[in-house]
Amino acid sequence: AQSVTQLDSQVPVFEEAPVELRCNYSSSVSVYLFWYVQYPNQGLQLLLKYLSGSTLVKSINGFEAEFNKSQTSFHLRKPSVHISDTAEYFCAVSDSGGSNYKLTFGKGTLLTVNP
Amino acid sequence: NAGVTQTPKFQVLKTGQSMTLQCAQDMNHNSMYWYRQDPGMGLRLIYYSASEGTTDKGEVPNGYNVSRLNKREFSLRLESAAPSQTSVYFCASRPDRGRYYGYTFGSGTRLTVV
Repeated sequence: AQSVTQLDSQVPVFEEAPVELRCNYSSSVSVYLFWYVQYPNQGLQLLLKYLSGSTLVKSINGFEAEFNKSQTSFHLRKPSVHISDTAEYFCAVSDSGGSNYKLTFGKGTLLTVNP
Repeated sequence: NAGVTQTPKFQVLKTGQSMTLQCAQDMNHNSMYWYRQDPGMGLRLIYYSASEGTTDKGEVPNGYNVSRLNKREFSLRLESAAPSQTSVYFCASRPDRGRYYGYTFGSGTRLTVV
């Protein structure tokens, strides 16, 4: 069974500041890793994913995450945030083989960007 | 637009009432899921269906039943609603096995049980 720990439930930052949202996972098998974003009163949208290959993955809106197998982490970073990045962010893990199609989510990190 | 459609968007039930949450996807996905989202708890899997004709329990199935009516539709039923089932419910679907494993989520059903 897998589990995901998001170390911060809330992260307040000022506009144009850098931000890191931390995610650690636990699994006995190889995994796929995801970050989802949820804007207020909306469903979840896929932000970025790690399946294989380069351990640094990037989204179209400036976020990036790095898969670190030795530290079982997949932290999300952005060098300069905007007010519009205010949302809740969820880290999720799925095993990479077999018939398990299920995603396990962390409890979420609420990112609040202040002017 | 292609995607996952959930109905209704909002619902208030009295304790003991029953209702069915509807979910339909038009992306020809095989796998479908029902999650509930509660503050500070993230998303927890209630039931899932890996393919038409199959359903399996997730992490929190008690008090719920599901039906995979066909490839497009996956409904969630509350037979006797309880206040503990007050939550936001999300349906999701995903493509068959392949390199892309991301889910597509519906916009959610906000359920209040009084």
